[in-house]
Amino acid sequence: DAGVTQSPTHLIKTRGQQVTLRCSPKSGHDTVSWYQQALGQGPQFIFQYYEEEERQRGNFPDRFSGHQFPNYSSELNVNALLLGDSALYLCASSLARSGYTFGSGTRLTVV
Amino acid sequence: GENVEQHPSTLSVQEGDSAVIKCTYSDSASNYFPWYKQELGKGPQLIIDIRSNVGEKKDQRIAVTLNKTAKHFSLHITETQPEDSAVYFCAASKKGSGNTGKLIFGQGTTLQVKP
Repeated sequence: DAGVTQSPTHLIKTRGQQVTLRCSPKSGHDTVSWYQQALGQGPQFIFQYYEEEERQRGNFPDRFSGHQFPNYSSELNVNALLLGDSALYLCASSLARSGYTFGSGTRLTVV
Repeated sequence: GENVEQHPSTLSVQEGDSAVIKCTYSDSASNYFPWYKQELGKGPQLIIDIRSNVGEKKDQRIAVTLNKTAKHFSLHITETQPEDSAVYFCAASKKGSGNTGKLIFGQGTTLQVKP
């Protein structure tokens, strides 16, 4: 049973550019959450999607947006990239009262 | 606001010794407290969790205790092994019956188990 799959694993972008990260949840999971993890820090909640709608949002600017598709997969979009957006972006899936399952993340470097 | 404080930031123990990591949360409505292990280049992996209606939970060498009054919870690892070396994160969440609440993470503890 495949767990949470994220793509790409690494990418490098230039300041001002836009990026799209992708996530396929664990089989049977219907909720997808995105977290940003800066080097040496704990993950910070960006937002959560359920039934194709954003259900909760953390303290991140509108440059961060997302989408969930009918098959429960999700995308995270970041516009107008800043150097400070460099981080590991984690996707986590869950189902109702189950715990989260995290993917291995996408390492984004903004130069 | 919501906050989770985690201590210590680094912990070094000899193989076979016990390790204890402590966390304090600020939101009294928090009712779900998972612990994650993160190895280099990987995402966090759930190792144990506890809900607010339970004071202690054990799974083989790992145990978690919760003190709701003090808003404090701890991870205990006994008989540590070199493969326990990793970064450990505590987290707190408000989980409803039909949703998975956002996780508020601590800052992490780097555990080193020396052979």
